[in-house]
Amino acid sequence: SAVISQKPSRDICQRGTSLTIQCQVDSQVTMMFWYRQQPGQSLTLIATANQGSEATYESGFVIDKFPISRPNLTFSTLTVSNMSPEDSSIYLCSVRLAGSSFFAGELFFGEGSRLTVL
Amino acid sequence: GENVEQHPSTLSVQEGDSAVIKCTYSDSASNYFPWYKQELGKRPQLIIDIRSNVGEKKDQRIAVTLNKTAKHFSLHITETQPEDSAVYFCAASSNSGGGADGLTFGKGTHLIIQP
Repeated sequence: SAVISQKPSRDICQRGTSLTIQCQVDSQVTMMFWYRQQPGQSLTLIATANQGSEATYESGFVIDKFPISRPNLTFSTLTVSNMSPEDSSIYLCSVRLAGSSFFAGELFFGEGSRLTVL
Repeated sequence: GENVEQHPSTLSVQEGDSAVIKCTYSDSASNYFPWYKQELGKRPQLIIDIRSNVGEKKDQRIAVTLNKTAKHFSLHITETQPEDSAVYFCAASSNSGGGADGLTFGKGTHLIIQP
């Protein structure tokens, strides 16, 4: 397994501001993903964080709203820009460890960052 | 893209009975099917997974079955215990890029174990 640290664990933000969430992993990883989980809902993939290049976004998510960086293999940030109350959610970092089998391997999740926008 | 349907949304069973949660997927290229358990306020954690070259997998009280022809897979929990109470998510992924794909999750099943 791996230790996946997310900061902040929670925050309350004002409408129109931006917040950056950090994800640090203590093991070598191949893939890093960012998910959103709205209250009582399922997990929705926002994007794949690619090392040294632009993230790959899922339908409905755009770079201007959710800029993502991944400067090295074990660290990534997700920014939620120009926030509105609809962005209130838990944002989870997820990783696939190096050494996973050829088939898609297990995803490990961070504890999540609970964001409330007023 | 992939679409995963999960049923039921809520399942209440008596302690000691069995629980079954079912999922269907749409993308025939999907080849990896994990199940995650999420307790209130905690992160999702993998409890069992199955790959497309296997029809069934068991781990103690938990088993998963996969029918690729029908594109559905199921989670079976036997001899349920109070600590099994949680939200369970099924998911699907394809390996189009050597494990590059993220998971598509079902909407979740809230499993309630009645004492």
